[in-house]
Amino acid sequence: DGGITQSPKYLFRKEGQNVTLSCEQNLNHDAMYWYRQDPGQGLRLIYYSQIVNDFQKGDIAEGYSVSREKKESFPLTVTSAQKNPTAFYLCASSMLPGESNQPQHFGDGTRLSIL
Amino acid sequence: AQKITQTQPGMFVQEKEAVTLDCTYDTSDQSYGLFWYKQPSSGEMIFLIYQGSYDEQNATEGRYSLNFQKARKSANLVISASQLGDSAMYFCAMREGDGNKLVFGAGTILRVKS
Repeated sequence: DGGITQSPKYLFRKEGQNVTLSCEQNLNHDAMYWYRQDPGQGLRLIYYSQIVNDFQKGDIAEGYSVSREKKESFPLTVTSAQKNPTAFYLCASSMLPGESNQPQHFGDGTRLSIL
Repeated sequence: AQKITQTQPGMFVQEKEAVTLDCTYDTSDQSYGLFWYKQPSSGEMIFLIYQGSYDEQNATEGRYSLNFQKARKSANLVISASQLGDSAMYFCAMREGDGNKLVFGAGTILRVKS
């Protein structure tokens, strides 16, 4: 079945540690996104990518980094510079603009906590 | 200014009744799209329905319909014949112009009572 796979489901980070969240899609979508969700709040865009080897900052990119070496994969690294990383992280993918009615499809998310 | 406003933090509805979840938006673009997603307690985001700014008809998908009032900049979600499984967080989101970024509202928690 086509879909988006995020791993791990739960992740714990020690102070000063970088951690990487995985996101893989087999929907053949060009665009991929990372969102952060804090308890009781909506989603905020961290980074997005419309094509391999290219990505743009979203609204809250500080303390995060991404790469897009393959169309199917868009890993997110939460660096030690992100002082409040505890949140629920959602990865999504979609067709490119021009297909404006196409929704973003989401993975099941990763819950990140600080030890 | 908030681009997407969902004014109802929480709603209750009796099973089998209809419920309306409010969403107002703010944009200066003529071309935009509005989306509703459902987020159960497990966390995944499930796409429900889409309305384009140029669509003349209100969107419908099964028990979901969208009450789109362009002049008022509102796109309220109507769920008919509520079921217990409809209990979840519901998010309204907007895509502006030809971009593909979504801006989300804060969400509304819906609880269906038996």
